[in-house]
Amino acid sequence: QSGLTQPPSASGTPGQGVTISCSGTSSNLERNYVYWYQQLPGAAPQLLIQRNSQRPSGVPDRFSASKSGTSASLDIRGLRSDDEATYFCAAWDDSLNSRVFGGGTKLTVL
Amino acid sequence: QTQLQESGPGLVKPSETLSVDCHVSGDSIGSTSYYWGWVRQPPGQGLEWIGSFYYNGRTYFNPSLKSRVTISKDTSTNQFSLKLASVTAADTAIYYCARQPTYDFWGGAGFDSWGQGTLVTVSS
Repeated sequence: QSGLTQPPSASGTPGQGVTISCSGTSSNLERNYVYWYQQLPGAAPQLLIQRNSQRPSGVPDRFSASKSGTSASLDIRGLRSDDEATYFCAAWDDSLNSRVFGGGTKLTVL
Repeated sequence: QTQLQESGPGLVKPSETLSVDCHVSGDSIGSTSYYWGWVRQPPGQGLEWIGSFYYNGRTYFNPSLKSRVTISKDTSTNQFSLKLASVTAADTAIYYCARQPTYDFWGGAGFDSWGQGTLVTVSS
């Protein structure tokens, strides 16, 4: 099943910023909201960003996101060691009639 | 605070039916505020939505899995269940139950509360 495309890995040093991209198509990202999840090692995913750019209660403002056309991005400012996790993007796909996820980007904080 | 807890068999033989339960506390699966669903993750891989249901019993499935999936609920025990038939090794995954706000279900992909997941391995 086709999904969203993410780079497999990203890295940064503490205090720096990093951007994680998510690429889709006209049937998913262009027409529908994008969501971002953080999955810490050995844990379940947690909703990080909803409806393109909204942070659920409790998510620090170091995390922000945007969407343009068929692409979306997650920005993390002021990297911390506990940001080390895998980040997934997700959206509804009108053609597949299903929710689709990216393959995940593993973030390493050097 | 809503908590979800999966329970499963751990090991299922090929061609058999996988069955996983999710017990919910702190909220009611009979609430109109949420849809409840299943998402799976093969070890080391990405996430895949399996299906969801609403309080009225309506179910919605990933078309790629629809022919093999059944989702049922028991409002008296506040629990819901997933059955996946005719499993193969490709169905080996961590199975998560998750909650999705009603306002976000149609055209959305925001699951705001998850269980810790249960690993189900398909092997003879």
